[in-house]
Amino acid sequence: EIVLTQSPGTLSLSPGERATLSCRASQSVRRSYLAWYQQKPGQAPRLLIYGASSRATGIPDRFSGSGSGTDFTLTISRLEPEDFAVYYCQQYGSSPWTFGQGTKVEIK
Amino acid sequence: EVQLVESGGGLVQPGRSLRLSCTVSGFTFGDYAMSWVRQAPGKGLEWVAFIRSTAYGGTTEYAASVKGRFTISRDDSKSIAYLQMNSLKTEDTAVYFCSSGWRLFDYWGQGTLVTVSS
Repeated sequence: EIVLTQSPGTLSLSPGERATLSCRASQSVRRSYLAWYQQKPGQAPRLLIYGASSRATGIPDRFSGSGSGTDFTLTISRLEPEDFAVYYCQQYGSSPWTFGQGTKVEIK
Repeated sequence: EVQLVESGGGLVQPGRSLRLSCTVSGFTFGDYAMSWVRQAPGKGLEWVAFIRSTAYGGTTEYAASVKGRFTISRDDSKSIAYLQMNSLKTEDTAVYFCSSGWRLFDYWGQGTLVTVSS
C-alpha cells in the first residue's frame, strides 16, 4: 500500500498569502494519479485537483497542483477567507487508494 | 442538481450489523461507479469500498480493514448504493460518506455517523 505523508501538519497564513502544501508518496504514484481535496468542518470533502495538476469543475484558478513520481504540491496563490480548511491528497494509481493525513490551513 | 444522501447510521453494539444507504439524484446512477469513504472522529479519510457500474460488471473491491465483513451493492432501479456492515468493531466508528466514482471521488454526500460501542 502506498503511504502518503503530507507536510506541514498545520500552515498558519494570512489572507492574500501564498500557501504551499506538500504530499510525498512512499513509492511512485502510477501515471501521476494524485488528487487533492478540501474539507471544511462538518462538510464532505470537495475534489480540487486530479491527475496531479488538472483542476476539477468549478475550482478557481488560484488552486494549482504539480509534481510527479513521489513528490506533489498543491499551491494556493492568494488565500481567500473561504480557503481556510483541511486539505488531503489521495493516490488512485494503485489499489488500495490511500489518503494523506491532511494539512490544516489556518488563519494566522 | 447532484445529490447524494446517506442514511442508516446510528449506535450499534460490537459484533452487530448495520446497513447504510446512499440515495442519488441528479445524474444517471447506473452509469457511475460508487464508493464509500469513512472518517473516524477527528481523523483523516479512509477509502472503504467501491462498486463499478453494471456495464463494467458491477465488480467490487474493499479495503483490507473491512474485507470479509462489509459488502457494497447497488440497485440501479432505485438509484441507491448500499453498504452492509457485519461483525462491526469499535474501530469502525466513523462518518461514512458515499461518493460517485471508483477511484476519484467527485460528488459526495454529507455522511452518516456510525458509532460502534457497548
